[in-house]
Amino acid sequence: DGGITQSPKYLFRKEGQNVTLSCEQNLNHDAMYWYRQDPGQGLRLIYYSQIVNDFQKGDIAEGYSVSREKKESFPLTVTSAQKNPTAFYLCAVRGGSYGYTFGSGTRLTVV
Amino acid sequence: ILNVEQSPQSLHVQEGDSTNFTCSFPSSNFYALHWYRWETAKSPEALFVMTLNGDEKKKGRISATLNTKEGYSYLYIKGSQPEDSATYLCAFNQAGTALIFGKGTTLSVSS
Repeated sequence: DGGITQSPKYLFRKEGQNVTLSCEQNLNHDAMYWYRQDPGQGLRLIYYSQIVNDFQKGDIAEGYSVSREKKESFPLTVTSAQKNPTAFYLCAVRGGSYGYTFGSGTRLTVV
Repeated sequence: ILNVEQSPQSLHVQEGDSTNFTCSFPSSNFYALHWYRWETAKSPEALFVMTLNGDEKKKGRISATLNTKEGYSYLYIKGSQPEDSATYLCAFNQAGTALIFGKGTTLSVSS
């Protein structure tokens, strides 16, 4: 069935490591987004992509990188430059009558 | 920086009570207002997307109104049930921009 798959559900990162969060969709929509949630905060936009091979920075892009080589995939890399990466990460796709559809999220913890 | 404010931050009601939440957003260059319901360990679920001033939407016991001129939206829940317990997110966007989220209102319904 159609939807968004985020993996892994839980991820642990050591200091200084880069890690990549996966987001895959089979909804055939163009626009994809990455948001981050911290306790007591709303969802904040990291990066978004309106079309393949194009992406833009959101409000908190520093320390993150993305790629959009395929319509179905929008992976997010959390680099060692991100000083406080412990958070919950949500991927979303825009399209359809309800606007945005979200994945189930990845919880990243620095150990 | 555009900001979306939600109030109250949290709310605890008894089963059968009716309740409402507020979402305030910038009234300039308005495009759409979204409401989501987010249960723990699940993906945010779209409730409503509203685009026109004066819009009223209803889904079962939940309804929402929109005032784009003054920049606010209300979400109403009639006869709250324990299964309504969740965080309710409001998000707004201008044309061509990504959604900007509020911090959410967390509702707890006791039986």
